[in-house]
Amino acid sequence: DIQMTQSPSAMSASVGDRVTITCRASQGISNYLAWFQQKPGKVPKRLIYAASTLQSGVPSRFSGSGSGTEFTLTISSLQPEDFATYYCLQHDNYPLTFGGGTKVEIK
Amino acid sequence: EVQLVESGGGLVQPGGSLRLSCAASGFTFSNCAMSWVRQAAGKGLEWVSSISGSGSSTYYADSVKGRFTVSRDNSKNTLYLQMSSLRAEDTAVYFCAKVIGDPGVWGQGTLVTVSS
Repeated sequence: DIQMTQSPSAMSASVGDRVTITCRASQGISNYLAWFQQKPGKVPKRLIYAASTLQSGVPSRFSGSGSGTEFTLTISSLQPEDFATYYCLQHDNYPLTFGGGTKVEIK
Repeated sequence: EVQLVESGGGLVQPGGSLRLSCAASGFTFSNCAMSWVRQAAGKGLEWVSSISGSGSSTYYADSVKGRFTVSRDNSKNTLYLQMSSLRAEDTAVYFCAKVIGDPGVWGQGTLVTVSS
């Protein structure tokens, strides 16, 4: 099974900060990686798919990069509505596996 | 509008069974692999099961293998999850989701509580 190690597990940041979240796969997954945002009590929302393709309607301050085993989600300028938990998901092989999540909190 | 609507959650005793349904609309359901993902209260997302568009291939997490069965009826645009031998640790919100390909879409989730 492919393990997805996401870091950090939590972070504090201020509005306007640049935020970077990383997912490392235990083996190569090409670009079969997606990023999701989840707010408390809400359904997860896909932000990025195919590692770097922005989902339609998602603000351009979100970007994804990486291939193989290391992937990054970047928020270029954190906005108040971006405080949430973020998850990566690999879908190169079954079982699909999520990262453990990164909770982005207000500093 | 692309939409997934789950139903069938509820309270069940340990060892009991429950069937979840997920009605899809707004996309060509039969062309799409579909998945079930769950989330226990205060915990992260856990993939449970997936099924290919034709229904010929199914996949399960080790935690549910042998107890849960995923299926679909493409004539009704509906995905199912038959859950049996339920345990307390299966308590979670269960989401139906199209996590692969575009569009990506999730249902609103249905709560399954396993308790005596």
